[in-house]
Amino acid sequence: NAGVMQNPRHLVRRRGQEARLRCSPMKGHSHVYWYRQLPEEGLKFMVYLQKENIIDESGMPKERFSAEFPKEGPSILRIQQVVRGDSAAYFCASSPTSSGDTEAFFGQGTRLTVV
Amino acid sequence: GESVGLHLPTLSVQEGDNSIINCAYSNSASDYFIWYKQESGKGPQFIIDIRSNMDKRQGQRVTVLLNKTVKHLSLQIAATQPGDSAVYFCAEKGADSNYQLIWGAGTKLIIKP
Repeated sequence: NAGVMQNPRHLVRRRGQEARLRCSPMKGHSHVYWYRQLPEEGLKFMVYLQKENIIDESGMPKERFSAEFPKEGPSILRIQQVVRGDSAAYFCASSPTSSGDTEAFFGQGTRLTVV
Repeated sequence: GESVGLHLPTLSVQEGDNSIINCAYSNSASDYFIWYKQESGKGPQFIIDIRSNMDKRQGQRVTVLLNKTVKHLSLQIAATQPGDSAVYFCAEKGADSNYQLIWGAGTKLIIKP
């Protein structure tokens, strides 16, 4: 059973370009969470999705950022018109039920560098 | 706002000794806590969790202690090994959320040979 798969592992974008980060949850998991991590800091919650639904996007900036988890395929975190401050590691986690009562499994992350 | 913080950003321990990593939390209503281990270049890995109705929980070589009176959480690692070198995070579940974890800044554990 493969773990949570994120790709790409590393992504370099120029300012103004779009970044698309993908997350395939563990088999049987229908809950996906995206987190952002700056160097030397803990993870910051961004968005929680179930299949075809955004449950909570309170941690995600209103502009330029969007997330989806379609019926088929991976969850996508999209950042439009990237700026230097978007450089960070973005982690996806999945769980079979809403996390907190069941441990969520994390992917290896996508390290975004904006140049 | 609510926060979870750590007392020591870096902890150096001799191989074979025990390690204690501390965490302070501010929301007395939080009811669930998790310790994660994050190795360089990898995602966080679940270590152990504890609910607020407990004050101690043991796993394999790890023990988590919860002191609700002073809002303090600790992770004890017995007989540390080189593979224990990582950054350790405590996270709490907010009282008003079933899923949103609030993370501390992390403690880097260095194992000296």
